[in-house]
Amino acid sequence: DAMVIQNPRYQVTQFGKPVTLSCSQTLNHNVMYWYQQKSSQAPKLLFHYYDKDFNNEADTPDNFQSRRPNTSFCFLDIRSPGLGDAAMYLCATSRDRRRAPYQPQHFGDGTRLSIL
Amino acid sequence: SQKIEQNSEALNIQEGKTATLTCNYTNYSPAYLQWYRQDPGRGPVFLLLIRENEKEKRKERLKVTFDTTLKQSLFHITASQPADSATYLCAPSYNQGGKLIFGQGTELSVKP
Repeated sequence: DAMVIQNPRYQVTQFGKPVTLSCSQTLNHNVMYWYQQKSSQAPKLLFHYYDKDFNNEADTPDNFQSRRPNTSFCFLDIRSPGLGDAAMYLCATSRDRRRAPYQPQHFGDGTRLSIL
Repeated sequence: SQKIEQNSEALNIQEGKTATLTCNYTNYSPAYLQWYRQDPGRGPVFLLLIRENEKEKRKERLKVTFDTTLKQSLFHITASQPADSATYLCAPSYNQGGKLIFGQGTELSVKP
């Protein structure tokens, strides 16, 4: 089945130690998103790619970076994780909105990041 | 900025009853609104989408309404089952293919 896969499901890192989370998709969708979700809160959009075009949200900290080397893969890099960055990180994809508006997003099951 | 409000209190209902969840938004109406289901430790799963010019949308036991006068969407699950227990997120979008703004979700618990 076509899907969005996030690895690892659980990640533990030390305060200040860089960490990378990965997302892959077999849906061949143009758009990929990264969200941060803290306990009992709404998913918060960090940034998204439209093909290779990177779109950062205005309130996303500089500590968060992303790379999309090809259509299938996208990475979230946290350069110096702080305790406040402990959260679930969700990757999502959607189809090209220029050809098909009103598209739902397809989510992976997330990576839960803990900071020691 | 836009604010999305869902009932923060969990909704507890008896199996077989209809569950009704509320999503309110401020300021201007979204181009469309989506509803997602999220189980603990899992990513959200898309359920239904309703456009600004639609009043109602149905899919099996699910029904969504969209009232631009009240600035509100209602999500109904009829003949609810324990398997419907989850958190339900509403997510308006303010342009056709644009970003979603998620509400914090309402946790539904259906008791046998």
